[in-house]
Amino acid sequence: EAGVTQFPSHSVIEKGQTVTLRCDPISGHDNLYWYRRVMGKEIKFLLHFVKESKQDESGMPNNRFLAERTGGTYSTLKVQPAELEDSGVYFCASSQGSGYIAEAFFGQGTRLTVV
Amino acid sequence: QKEVEQNSGPLSVPEGAIASLNCTYSDRVSQSFFWYRQYSGKSPELIMSIYSNGDKEDGRFTAQLNKASQYVSLLIRDSQPSDSATYLCAAQYSSASKIIFGSGTRLSIRP
Repeated sequence: EAGVTQFPSHSVIEKGQTVTLRCDPISGHDNLYWYRRVMGKEIKFLLHFVKESKQDESGMPNNRFLAERTGGTYSTLKVQPAELEDSGVYFCASSQGSGYIAEAFFGQGTRLTVV
Repeated sequence: QKEVEQNSGPLSVPEGAIASLNCTYSDRVSQSFFWYRQYSGKSPELIMSIYSNGDKEDGRFTAQLNKASQYVSLLIRDSQPSDSATYLCAAQYSSASKIIFGSGTRLSIRP
């Protein structure tokens, strides 16, 4: 079974440009999370989808970030326009929706560099 | 106060010894806890999950949870150089809520 996949693995863009990150969760996983790790800092929560609905977007930094999850399958995270402080590694994770405990599995991450 | 706190380390342990990693959490309503291992430049890898008070063992790893003290720990027996990594503690209120991570503890196993 395929794990969580993210695309692209690396992206270098100029300040002011737009970048779209994609995440394909494990098949059947209702929960999809986006996280970000800035150099030297801890992994910070961005938002959480349950199927196609945004369950919690309290971690989104500002309105330059837009996340969608089409049909409850893959998700995209768009940054427009990108700023220097948006650089970091963006992780996606997914877990099943049922059960008392939902173990989340991470994708390999997208390293975003804004220059 | 951070929701999940860990000592950043580095924690240095001789090969073959027991490595003990600790984590405290501030939210009493947290119900599930996870330990992830992250090698440099890689993504977090789930090692253990626990939601009941007490110990949970899986191979060389034992997770311990004490909800009264709001304390979670991870023991690694017979430590190997390949265990050298950053270990992330995480907490979750329910299976449908966000997972909050600590800043991680860097573990170094010296030969």
